[in-house]
Amino acid sequence: DGGITQSPKYLFRKEGQNVTLSCEQNLNHDAMYWYRQDPGQGLRLIYYSQIVNDFQKGDIAEGYSVSREKKESFPLTVTSAQKNPTAFYLCASSNLGLKNSPLHFGNGTRLTVT
Amino acid sequence: GEDVEQSLFLSVREGDSSVINCTYTDSSSTYLYWYKQEPGAGLQLLTYIFSNMDMKQDQRLTVLLNKKDKHLSLRIADTQTGDSAIYFCAESISDDSGYSTLTFGKGTMLLVSP
Repeated sequence: DGGITQSPKYLFRKEGQNVTLSCEQNLNHDAMYWYRQDPGQGLRLIYYSQIVNDFQKGDIAEGYSVSREKKESFPLTVTSAQKNPTAFYLCASSNLGLKNSPLHFGNGTRLTVT
Repeated sequence: GEDVEQSLFLSVREGDSSVINCTYTDSSSTYLYWYKQEPGAGLQLLTYIFSNMDMKQDQRLTVLLNKKDKHLSLRIADTQTGDSAIYFCAESISDDSGYSTLTFGKGTMLLVSP
């Protein structure tokens, strides 16, 4: 079955450590996205990528970094510079071949930093 | 930035209709979406509507769009306890390069009681 896989589902880190969240898709989608969700909040866009080796900052990119070396993969690194990293992180992808194609989401990674 | 506004909470009885409302701000949005999120999971696309449409029906779901007032609603007929979830409204936004991303509301928590 095609889909988006985020791993791990739960992640715990100590303050001051960088941590990388994995996102893989086998839908052959061109575009991939990272959103952050906090309790009672909507989704806020961190980074997005339309093609391999290219990505753009979203609304809250500070303290995060990404790479897009392969079409299938879009890992997100939460750096120690991110002031409030504990959140639920959602990865998504879409097919640029279809204009305004909807986003397909993974099941998320819940990151807790103490 | 653009804002998408939703009421935060809705409670209905099983069998009743539910209506979730949303207002958006970008008049150039071409597509508007409704997503459903169950606890601890990612977002599932429910339905979407093109901006030149007034209404779209899909089984128990009816989407109404008032483009003049920038108002979108999702009606769920014969609401079931399994419909209890958070529902997100989203509008497509194009950046300066012509790439599209989605801007989400904060979500409406629907609670269906037996």
